[in-house]
Amino acid sequence: EVQLMESGGGLVQPGGSLRLSCSASGFTFSSYEMNWVRQAPGKGLEWVACISSSGTSIYYADSVKGRFTISKDNAKNSLFLQMNSLRADDTAVYFCARRGSGFGRKDLDYWGQGALLTVSS
Amino acid sequence: QSVLTQPPSVSAAPGQRVTISCSGSGSNIGKNYVSWYQQFPGTAPKLLIYDNNKRPSGIPDRFSGSNSGTSATLGITGLQTGDEADYYCGTWDSSLSARVFGGGTKVTVL
Repeated sequence: EVQLMESGGGLVQPGGSLRLSCSASGFTFSSYEMNWVRQAPGKGLEWVACISSSGTSIYYADSVKGRFTISKDNAKNSLFLQMNSLRADDTAVYFCARRGSGFGRKDLDYWGQGALLTVSS
Repeated sequence: QSVLTQPPSVSAAPGQRVTISCSGSGSNIGKNYVSWYQQFPGTAPKLLIYDNNKRPSGIPDRFSGSNSGTSATLGITGLQTGDEADYYCGTWDSSLSARVFGGGTKVTVL
């Protein structure tokens, strides 16, 4: 059974840093592109970043570029999101999600339960 | 402002059919597969449709997807009270090099 479990959320002051983790199990983690998607309270889904299976190809949303860093450790089946220079509008539930396997697929087929980040003084 | 445009809400009586539109452009829907997600309050999104019109295992055939040019549509037939949720479309935008989502549509069963 595919499982994704985020951890590391919490309350951070503006300008602070935090690192989210996503532990994966039930599939060959090293073969999959992974994504972070966030959802501010009462708002829709916003894609944050993605990283290729090997970690060599990375993309970010403009809203986080230069502040957030996505990484993965295939040996430890883990995905990370290092978040720096945090702002109030980064407050959201952060989901890790796996991209579906198969040529041309653009969907996210499995999602974690989410980790809440609150940026406030 | 979302790159993909969805209506904020749709509603219908139980047993009826609803459709949710998702409008994009040539760099996203016109070039890449569209997927649809269902989300209940306080839970993670769940994949409903991928590759424009394919259903993952376990998704009933009451849910269907279609695509025409730069727009996509999610259809739900035989509407049930348990279908009340938020629905999002998503794809990859090749010009932005970014994954994009619609703003979401709330389905209400009257």
